[in-house]
Amino acid sequence: QKEVEQDPGPLSVPEGAIVSLNCTYSNSAFQYFMWYRQYSRKGPELLMYTYSSGNKEDGRFTAQVDKSSKYISLFIRDSQPSDSATYLCAMSVTGGGNKLTFGTGTQLKVEL
Amino acid sequence: GAVVSQHPSRVICKSGTSVKIECRSLDFQATTMFWYRQFPKKSLMLMATSNEGSKATYEQGVEKDKFLINHASLTLSTLTVTSAHPEDSSFYICSATVGDIGYTFGSGTRLTVV
Repeated sequence: QKEVEQDPGPLSVPEGAIVSLNCTYSNSAFQYFMWYRQYSRKGPELLMYTYSSGNKEDGRFTAQVDKSSKYISLFIRDSQPSDSATYLCAMSVTGGGNKLTFGTGTQLKVEL
Repeated sequence: GAVVSQHPSRVICKSGTSVKIECRSLDFQATTMFWYRQFPKKSLMLMATSNEGSKATYEQGVEKDKFLINHASLTLSTLTVTSAHPEDSSFYICSATVGDIGYTFGSGTRLTVV
């Protein structure tokens, strides 16, 4: 079993839709959770990070963590074509230089 | 914000030759850098962790003699793929830790070995 599971998609939604992206994990030692966006042939860019259960909101993005279920989500409201990318969840046991474990990434396409 | 500059963005080399990929932290000092490899439609797989001034720590299954990592200064880490073969063709990405939790990534290098 992989440490981090993520549906690879592809996921296709119409512009303006609410997108839900999810990851599950098996290592209960993970304490820090991140979401990255990766455009084709580019490096990932950090969207959100959190280290506690609950919700964290930043503009159109909401990150949700449920440590008891080992489940994290990223919600994108009012999705735009520019949101079309691959979204990767990532986790680490500690911050400050600890290595990240990534999900496989979900490919999202937002259509006009 | 913290930026990691990675070069080259694309490289094509002949089988048997060596290729060097550079990552530079432009406006901060990167004590620790990570090197990842990414296959098409696959996740990032950590290859090694490099700390400035010391030997890199390689993940299980990664050949240290094939993927040479040097982190001689706080702003530069290099990955050299030695005696490259077609199966080494991949997307290589570096990242550096920033502050307590942040990680910033380079833009990646597409290596094609022919």
